[in-house]
Amino acid sequence: QSVLTQPPSVSGPPGQRVAISCSGSRSNFGSNPMNWYQQYPGTAPKLLIYSNNQRPSGVPDRFSGSRSGTSASLAISGLQSEDEAYYYCSTWDDTLVAWVFGGGTKVTVL
Amino acid sequence: EVQLVESGGGLVQPGGSLTLSCAASGFTFNDYWMHWVRQAPGKGLVWVSRIGGDAYITTYADSAKGRFTISRDNAKNTLYLQMNSLRAEDTAVYYCVRGWNKFDSWGQGTLVTVSS
Repeated sequence: QSVLTQPPSVSGPPGQRVAISCSGSRSNFGSNPMNWYQQYPGTAPKLLIYSNNQRPSGVPDRFSGSRSGTSASLAISGLQSEDEAYYYCSTWDDTLVAWVFGGGTKVTVL
Repeated sequence: EVQLVESGGGLVQPGGSLTLSCAASGFTFNDYWMHWVRQAPGKGLVWVSRIGGDAYITTYADSAKGRFTISRDNAKNTLYLQMNSLRAEDTAVYYCVRGWNKFDSWGQGTLVTVSS
């Protein structure tokens, strides 16, 4: 069981907005920023969002991140077929003294 | 261009040992913390270990403590993971990852299979 909790799956038709939640405890959230990764099956993960809401160069602005208290969220606006992938949240856990990941969310474009 | 290329994976018997390597290029290797992250077949990502740029600080997940050793050779731009007393549950793709407060570059991974 992951320290960070994500829904196993979310889905939506092309063009819709979907959101993926990530919830944890104060020990891992604290003041530590949340990062998000995108992974296509059979390939390495890719950094999608860092420091709660920052996009690396090359990431479309359809992807956005937010954080409130002990929860974080990744939103995908204008869902596209190429967004069908797995998404993971991750942060540093001060209590475990370790990096932790959510269990991952599969996004399906209907 | 940042490149991380893992090697050393393979089939090993339970209780055996294996050493993974990660050749880094395209950036100043000793400026960066480096990590190993693994992913069991069909499962999610799990952080394994990290090492500071000067190799003085290392940290391990509970599952790796006492069995795995992370190290680096900055002269060779290479990261290592020595794995001892391997168990079936260590079967996974192991990724070499760069970063301090985010994992901004990942290798393609190397598969470790622990089975008799």
